Amino acid sequence: ETGVTQTPRHLVMGMTNKKSLKCEQHLGHNAMYWYKQSAKKPLELMFVYNFKEQTENNSVPSRFSPECPNSSHLFLHLHTLQPEDSALYLCASSQVPGTTEAFFGQGTRLTVV
Amino acid sequence: AQKVTQAQTEISVVEKEDVTLDCVYETRDTTYYLFWYKQPPSGELVFLIRRNSFDEQNEISGRYSWNFQKSTSSFNFTITASQVVDSAVYFCALSGLVSNYQLIWGAGTKLIIKP
Repeated sequence: ETGVTQTPRHLVMGMTNKKSLKCEQHLGHNAMYWYKQSAKKPLELMFVYNFKEQTENNSVPSRFSPECPNSSHLFLHLHTLQPEDSALYLCASSQVPGTTEAFFGQGTRLTVV
Repeated sequence: AQKVTQAQTEISVVEKEDVTLDCVYETRDTTYYLFWYKQPPSGELVFLIRRNSFDEQNEISGRYSWNFQKSTSSFNFTITASQVVDSAVYFCALSGLVSNYQLIWGAGTKLIIKP
């Protein structure tokens, strides 16, 4: 398996649920990212991990909790989300943050009901 | 400030026409990086090209070409002889020291190629 893989591809959850998004990369990259893509809005960077350490948290609400157990895996734990959190959540990885190209997964389409 | 402007929200052309997607950027950095990505309906962002600020050579890859002009702060993307499979949203992005090397994204241009 190659590239960046995200699971699940689609998720519907209630506002009181707890769920997790998973991302796995097989590219040997050191940096991993979570992005949020909402309709009619630019891509929003949520979190950056470089060598498993979180280096950026762009004022993301605490109901989103990232976890990076190793350089190949990234999770986004979700709890008590709001309907406005419905979006496409994209995971990406790169060798070096910002100076080398990032490779993206296919995303998780999240709907909060 | 760092900013990327893709003024064309949506472009629609007939197959086999050439089409140019515009990207204009603002930055205080002297060293910076520019990127183009394609997002087909499947959702995955596909990397197309990276260019650093010291390399103003234009690039051609098959039907795709890029024109980097520092004098006008533009990094335009041209598809020659467009095909239906080129239909997608195309994003231009910028990174540099001012943004702590976070990618600053344009709003994207939706390209529709009609058969």
